Amino acid sequence: NAGVMQNPRHLVRRRGQEARLRCSPVKGHSHVYWYRQLPEEGLKFMVYLQKENIIDESGMPKERFSAEFPKEGPSILRIQQVVRGDSAAYFCASSPGQVRSGNTIYFGEGSWLTVV
Amino acid sequence: DAKTTQPNSMESNEEEPVHLPCNHSTISGTDYIHWYRQLPSQGPEYVIHGLTSNVNNRMASLAIAEDRKSSTLILHRATLRDAAVYYCILRDLMDSNYQLIWGAGTKLIIKP
Repeated sequence: NAGVMQNPRHLVRRRGQEARLRCSPVKGHSHVYWYRQLPEEGLKFMVYLQKENIIDESGMPKERFSAEFPKEGPSILRIQQVVRGDSAAYFCASSPGQVRSGNTIYFGEGSWLTVV
Repeated sequence: DAKTTQPNSMESNEEEPVHLPCNHSTISGTDYIHWYRQLPSQGPEYVIHGLTSNVNNRMASLAIAEDRKSSTLILHRATLRDAAVYYCILRDLMDSNYQLIWGAGTKLIIKP
């Protein structure tokens, strides 16, 4: 998966706790995307970030979810007060520039969140 | 982005060619056709993409119909490691749309 590193791979949280998912993009990539995948479904876009900026968060739930991509360090997807419906696989992807049809996008191996 | 239609699942024997179809009857002239695959418990992996001409790379070939309303991903000699869900996705050249619209894909089952 071309170097996008996600951790943790698996995370279990009780309802009401916080989940924090990390993503280190491919070296040199400044564009990061987060997707969510429910069982037996395709990926759903959540948010697109560049360094220190949120470009598009139209796919993010309005409450409890936030994302950041600081100047230094990995991108973080934060889910506060988790509920059972948040249980899903969360994938991070990166690209060297804005994703247009000629560019490929590289995915990490995902973080599987289970809320009990 | 225009929508795509793929069969839910397909089976193939190991070491035989596999043809995975995708219909995209509402494709526009500036839509690229991308294929990704997702192995179990893994993130999606880029396979191939094209606009009008057939494309080949080390993983697969992409055959695009002359009217571009359909395409076929060809795995020339399937192995057990090719068992995955294959997604056909359209992305507009003129639109910086990174919001890939993922369908349910085709689950490819390889029989030894």
